[in-house]
Amino acid sequence: GNSVTQMEGPVTLSEEAFLTINCTYTATGYPSLFWYVQYPGEGLQLLLKATKADDKGSNKGFEATYRKETTSFHLEKGSVQVSDSAVYFCALSDWGSGGYQKVTFGIGTKLQVIP
Amino acid sequence: GAVVSQHPSWVICKSGTSVKIECRSLDFQATTMFWYRQFPKQSLMLMATSNEGSKATYEQGVEKDKFLINHASLTLSTLTVTSAHPEDSSFYICSARPLRTSGNYEQYFGPGTRLTVT
Repeated sequence: GNSVTQMEGPVTLSEEAFLTINCTYTATGYPSLFWYVQYPGEGLQLLLKATKADDKGSNKGFEATYRKETTSFHLEKGSVQVSDSAVYFCALSDWGSGGYQKVTFGIGTKLQVIP
Repeated sequence: GAVVSQHPSWVICKSGTSVKIECRSLDFQATTMFWYRQFPKQSLMLMATSNEGSKATYEQGVEKDKFLINHASLTLSTLTVTSAHPEDSSFYICSARPLRTSGNYEQYFGPGTRLTVT
């Protein structure tokens, strides 16, 4: 079956530091890849996505590139802010056996940015 | 943008009782809604997929008689945890897929419901 592996964290960075959160996946088909963010007390929000190999998703200064050869989708940001403190989930979406989409999530990485 | 709400946001119940959690899409119609469960320091695990007007499809290992799902309209799905026990304590999250969505990636998540069974 499909699976997503990401670093567990927590990750603590100083403001303006460079961020990388690693994510690798295993899938039998051709999945779409996502990063979701969960701010304290809120639901998951889609941060960015990539639907095919070599696509780059970007949003709010975050980027991730769909690397099929390394089955990876690492999240990066050049300069983090305190407001980026949240839990980040890597996920993939593929069609389930019942003909519906199924999303598989990683464990989530907690990011804490200190001033 | 697309908003999904859940009610209640937090519930405490006694062992043996049943609890109903509602998931609503506030500004769009959803053909499909998903229910997830999240344990502390673990990922979200898909429990079941529900389509409006039909029976829910449960993931392997999820007891359908214990976790009753009803998707009565295009904006409402409910999850009822029957005869709850302390091991059912968890964070339950729903998501909704808008009607007439192309591609396989549009889901909007609710804020979650924390269930504590004493």
